[in-house]
Amino acid sequence: EPEVTQTPSHQVTQMGQEVILRCVPISNHLYFYWYRQILGQKVEFLVSFYNNEISEKSEIFDDQFSVERPDGSNFTLKIRSTKLEDSAMYFCASDPFLAAGYTFGSGTRLTVV
Amino acid sequence: TQLLEQSPQFLSIQEGENLTVYCNSSSVFSSLQWYRQEPGEGPVLLVTVVTGGEVKKLKRLTFQFGDARKDSSLHITAAQPGDTGLYLCAGARNSGNTPLVFGKGTRLSVIA
Repeated sequence: EPEVTQTPSHQVTQMGQEVILRCVPISNHLYFYWYRQILGQKVEFLVSFYNNEISEKSEIFDDQFSVERPDGSNFTLKIRSTKLEDSAMYFCASDPFLAAGYTFGSGTRLTVV
Repeated sequence: TQLLEQSPQFLSIQEGENLTVYCNSSSVFSSLQWYRQEPGEGPVLLVTVVTGGEVKKLKRLTFQFGDARKDSSLHITAAQPGDTGLYLCAGARNSGNTPLVFGKGTRLSVIA
């Protein structure tokens, strides 16, 4: 069964450092998303991406965040200068068409120290 | 902000029992999805419901979307230890490319 692959599975970084989280969505899917889940809290939307551009972003997705699809397969989330409160599980998801139901990756656990 | 309230937050039952968990909102959703999440993993899609009053069955799981498309329920018949996990509902505001709003989930524990 097709999977969404995320790397790395765990990342520990110092506050103020840049991190790049990587995702390979399912190849024939058209819509891509990043969500995050702080420990014990709900899954929160960060950004959606369609046709090589951001289609919607949340208040969390400020100037410190950016997304790219550099080569038609990878989908990356960059945090330029990490803060302690960025510590969370970050999930990538893709969707073949609107409201079909997402396929989520296994996530990257980001710990900012 | 559209909220999805899930209840109960925690549920611990014996194997073989039936249970229902709820997902409620004051807002209308164009579709609603149920996911199951294991610790340290991403949510896994169980079902998508799109029509008010719709009922979908997945083996021992029955999902219902409320007539007004503001609420949903998940009923599990004869629960098994393998059903243990966090059950999340998530709603889409409209049929455009809008993000899902997630509830906090119901953590189910089925004891053998």
